Amino acid sequence: AQKVTQAQTEISVVEKEDVTLDCVYETRDTTYYLFWYKQPPSGELVFLIRRNSFDEQNEISGRYSWNFQKSTSSFNFTITASQVVDSAVYFCALSEGVESSGDKLTFGTGTRLAVRP
Amino acid sequence: EADIYQTPRYLVIGTGKKITLECSQTMGHDKMYWYQQDPGMELHLIHYSYGVNSTEKGDLSSESTVSRIRTEHFPLTLESARPSHTSQYLCASSEYGAGTGEETQYFGPGTRLLVL
Repeated sequence: AQKVTQAQTEISVVEKEDVTLDCVYETRDTTYYLFWYKQPPSGELVFLIRRNSFDEQNEISGRYSWNFQKSTSSFNFTITASQVVDSAVYFCALSEGVESSGDKLTFGTGTRLAVRP
Repeated sequence: EADIYQTPRYLVIGTGKKITLECSQTMGHDKMYWYQQDPGMELHLIHYSYGVNSTEKGDLSSESTVSRIRTEHFPLTLESARPSHTSQYLCASSEYGAGTGEETQYFGPGTRLLVL
């Protein structure tokens, strides 16, 4: 069965600090997809990134970067020079199987990030 | 990105009432989903649909029901609301990436339900 673990329940940093959110996953499939979503206080989930299991390249998008390591089953998310607007709950998610390229997501429990001015 | 709308955004209702949470998307996506998110933050899939007249139950058992008569519309109904139904309900639809065949789920703003 698939499982996503976000061990960090809450993180608090001061603005401009770098912060890394950890995500560890479990799956028996060789084909799977990993996602990160952001949930600001307003409640909606905002899609940030999708990565398939065959693409281990790290990705950078502005202040955001993602480190995918199959050897440790991790898909960590780093925010560089954090800002107050980054305060939110961040969810890592997994879907597995050739026929399930993005549906039936299994979510982690989320990490609440507070960025203090 | 998908445009997904949920109404109402907030609902306070008494026990025993019948309620329908609305979800609509304007992108013509075939797949739609309902998630329940309790105050502890974890999201659980309760219903999904792969198209018109297709509905399936998700991983978390729910007393709610859904229907999919039109592609753009995926309402969720509780026949008799109870305090245990108090939660946030998030609707999503998914889009295939052109050329990749990979899906991404996009979420609506959610409905916060409080049953007294």
